Amino acid sequence: KAGVTQTPRYLIKTRGQQVTLSCSPISGHRSVSWYQQTPGQGLQFLFEYFSETQRNKGNFPGRFSGRQFSNSRSEMNVSTLELGDSALYLCASSHGLADYEQYFGPGTRLTVT
Amino acid sequence: SQKIEQNSEALNIQEGKTATLTCNYTNYSPAYLQWYRQDPGRGPVFLLLIRENEKEKRKERLKVTFDTTLKQSLFHITASQPADSATYLCALWGNYQLIWGAGTKLIIKP
Repeated sequence: KAGVTQTPRYLIKTRGQQVTLSCSPISGHRSVSWYQQTPGQGLQFLFEYFSETQRNKGNFPGRFSGRQFSNSRSEMNVSTLELGDSALYLCASSHGLADYEQYFGPGTRLTVT
Repeated sequence: SQKIEQNSEALNIQEGKTATLTCNYTNYSPAYLQWYRQDPGRGPVFLLLIRENEKEKRKERLKVTFDTTLKQSLFHITASQPADSATYLCALWGNYQLIWGAGTKLIIKP
């Protein structure tokens, strides 16, 4: 079974620009969660999609948005990039129930200059 | 607010010894707790899940305990090897999301 894939793996953007990151979950998984990880910080939850519906959202500004398609693939978008948005963005897929583990992709390393 | 704490300092252990990592939480009564391993530049990898009615869970050289009274989970690696060096994260399930600790970096010295 293919793992979670994320594209692109690395990205360099300028302040004020916007960016779209993509995540393809494991086949059969209906839940996709997005996280931001910065040095010294734990994984910060952005949002979770289940069957194309946003089921939960973390404490991030409205510049961070996402969506999920009917094939469970997901995208997240960050508009008006700030220097502080530089981070590793991880997506994780799962069956969507509480006692199922999450499978993470390799992440997208975003650098904002 | 819900909070999860892991030892922020790196843990240095001699090869062959048992490594013990701690995860403490407050203001929460989780039904499940998970442990993950993360290597530099990679996404976390699931290791073990333990439920609130389970005191202990084992998988090969790994053992997790869950004390809901102390609000603490301990993660043990027995007969540790340099390849076990990584950051270990604990996470609690709540409100349709996993709430994560910042992780503890484990270094196994040969």
